[in-house]
Amino acid sequence: EAEVAQSPRYKITEKSQAVAFWCDPISGHATLYWYRQILGQGPELLVQFQDESVVDDSQLPKDRFSAERLKGVDSTLKIQPAELGDSAMYLCASAVSPTYEQYFGPGTRLTVT
Amino acid sequence: AQTVTQSQPEMSVQEAETVTLSCTYDTSENNYYLFWYKQPPSRQMILVIRQEAYKQQNATENRFSVNFQKAAKSFSLKISDSQLGDTAMYFCAFMYNYGQNFVFGPGTRLSVLP
Repeated sequence: EAEVAQSPRYKITEKSQAVAFWCDPISGHATLYWYRQILGQGPELLVQFQDESVVDDSQLPKDRFSAERLKGVDSTLKIQPAELGDSAMYLCASAVSPTYEQYFGPGTRLTVT
Repeated sequence: AQTVTQSQPEMSVQEAETVTLSCTYDTSENNYYLFWYKQPPSRQMILVIRQEAYKQQNATENRFSVNFQKAAKSFSLKISDSQLGDTAMYFCAFMYNYGQNFVFGPGTRLSVLP
């Protein structure tokens, strides 16, 4: 069964450093989401792509976060510089119309020290 | 802005019993989707069940069913014959506008006790 792949699974970085996360969605899924999930809370949408275009990045802290999906397939989320408050699980999900049921990857757990 | 509320941070149920998780939402939209997602400990999030707002019939997936009350903006999840593997965080989610505006609730931690 096709799955959403994410790497790395775990990342420890010092504050002020740069960090990047990668996501490979299920083949054929045009819609891709990046979420941040703080332990014990629900996921918070950071950015949504439709193919290679950003359709919603209203919750993305653009001063330090960036996201791209250059060829409309895999995607990268970057944080520079990382802050202590960025410690969280970063989830990637992909979906296909018309139901937009989201399929989630295993996530990347980020710890900023 | 759309909001999703789950008023039960934690719940527990005995194995084989039935449990209902609550969810309410606030929106001015008329056409939207509602979802329940399950996130087991240290495992990835998976879809449990989906409901289209234009459908009056409540969705059912095996032991999982919903009670969708559109006027009351309520969307509860009933789990019948609870199993140990149902232990997880359960998130209610709302979506409209062709996959956009996805909002998750804060979650309910369900523990199934042997």
